[in-house]
Amino acid sequence: QQQVKQSPQSLIVQKGGIPIINCAYENTAFDYFPWYQQFPGKGPALLIAIRPDVSEKKEGRFTISFNKSAKQFSLHIMDSQPGDSATYFCAALANAGGTSYGKLTFGQGTILTVHP
Amino acid sequence: DTGVSQNPRHKITKRGQNVTFRCDPISEHNRLYWYRQTLGQGPEFLTYFQNEAQLEKSRLLSDRFSAERPKGSFSTLEIQRTEQGDSAMYLCASSFSGSNTEAFFGQGTRLTVV
Repeated sequence: QQQVKQSPQSLIVQKGGIPIINCAYENTAFDYFPWYQQFPGKGPALLIAIRPDVSEKKEGRFTISFNKSAKQFSLHIMDSQPGDSATYFCAALANAGGTSYGKLTFGQGTILTVHP
Repeated sequence: DTGVSQNPRHKITKRGQNVTFRCDPISEHNRLYWYRQTLGQGPEFLTYFQNEAQLEKSRLLSDRFSAERPKGSFSTLEIQRTEQGDSAMYLCASSFSGSNTEAFFGQGTRLTVV
């Protein structure tokens, strides 16, 4: 059962563009939503994360928008650069504030290409 | 390098052979996870250790798979009688317990079963 759905599968933008990647979830127990960036041959690296008590979080050029009622969240990359070309995964974690451990449910991934 | 270390980075094996992978987590982390990632997909949870105790196993982890974490330090993942469907990237991650939920991933072991 795919609990986190991610779109699009791939995305091509020009340098300076603002790619947007969307995710939707079903499990209302999810309460921590990280985004990971993965380069070829490397493991995923945490980029930015949000909890559902806020609607937006910014860190540098990366912004997460969160819509709790719609159970959707998205990643925006401002002023994208060729070095941002990578695969991006959204993920979700249930009961993050309690005693639950960090078992992540990942989306399918989006391959982002930023042309110079 | 104080990150999560996985060995080997690549493994090619013949169908039916047994393989073992090793993960050395960040030294202060007491939680350790194994994930499997197939081409074009996100990582899928396989199993979780808190210290030396294996507390959860995914249904993806068939009887041919076994994981250990002796003394709560490094972990090994063994696959017996490998099948072509086992070909994937096997990722290890570690984290602190408590409120810090960030998991740090290793670079993975790429398994190819021929």
